[in-house]
Amino acid sequence: NAGVTQTPKFRILKIGQSMTLQCTQDMNHNYMYWYRQDPGMGLKLIYYSVGAGITDKGEVPNGYNVSRSTTEDFPLRLELAAPSQTSVYFCASRPSGGLNQPQHFGDGTRLSIL
Amino acid sequence: AQTVTQSQPEMSVQEAETVTLSCTYDTSENNYYLFWYKQPPSRQMILVIRQEAYKQQNATENRFSVNFQKAAKSFSLKISDSQLGDTAMYFCAFTAGDMRFGAGTRLTVKP
Repeated sequence: NAGVTQTPKFRILKIGQSMTLQCTQDMNHNYMYWYRQDPGMGLKLIYYSVGAGITDKGEVPNGYNVSRSTTEDFPLRLELAAPSQTSVYFCASRPSGGLNQPQHFGDGTRLSIL
Repeated sequence: AQTVTQSQPEMSVQEAETVTLSCTYDTSENNYYLFWYKQPPSRQMILVIRQEAYKQQNATENRFSVNFQKAAKSFSLKISDSQLGDTAMYFCAFTAGDMRFGAGTRLTVKP
């Protein structure tokens, strides 16, 4: 059971480049999330989705875009990479059935913008 | 706005002893959920324990327990019989919709 899978694990980008962070889950979870974790800080919500075709902004959405065409996949797009986007990015999912359902996290993607 | 505050950036404890990590939160919601997550050096986020705000009884999971004080908006984590494998960052989290995380407490268990 793979759970939540994120690719790549590490990436270095130049300022102004674009890239997509991939996230897929095999648990048939409706809810999916993207977070960023800056050094020494907790996670901050970038975007989330409550099901295929539905996405919404979180706490820090600027500079990012998402799509959710299937239940399994929730990619995060950086269009014009900036040094402020250097961070560790986590994807998470949870089942329906209430907010008490814990989120399941991927292993993270460490992204450096130089 | 809902905020989560962890006032202890770093803590240490001797193996086999007990340690308590603090967490406070601010919300106007009445129905919400609280979580403690552990993040070891491997960077994985692992659920430790969760608490429903409507439940008065404190949650317990083996060596981990919470002290939930709803009126004080406090949600501390107690780790009993600390083990070397408990060394990690610990994050307190709150949700009434979006999940909000504290800045974390780095716990080191010393042999």
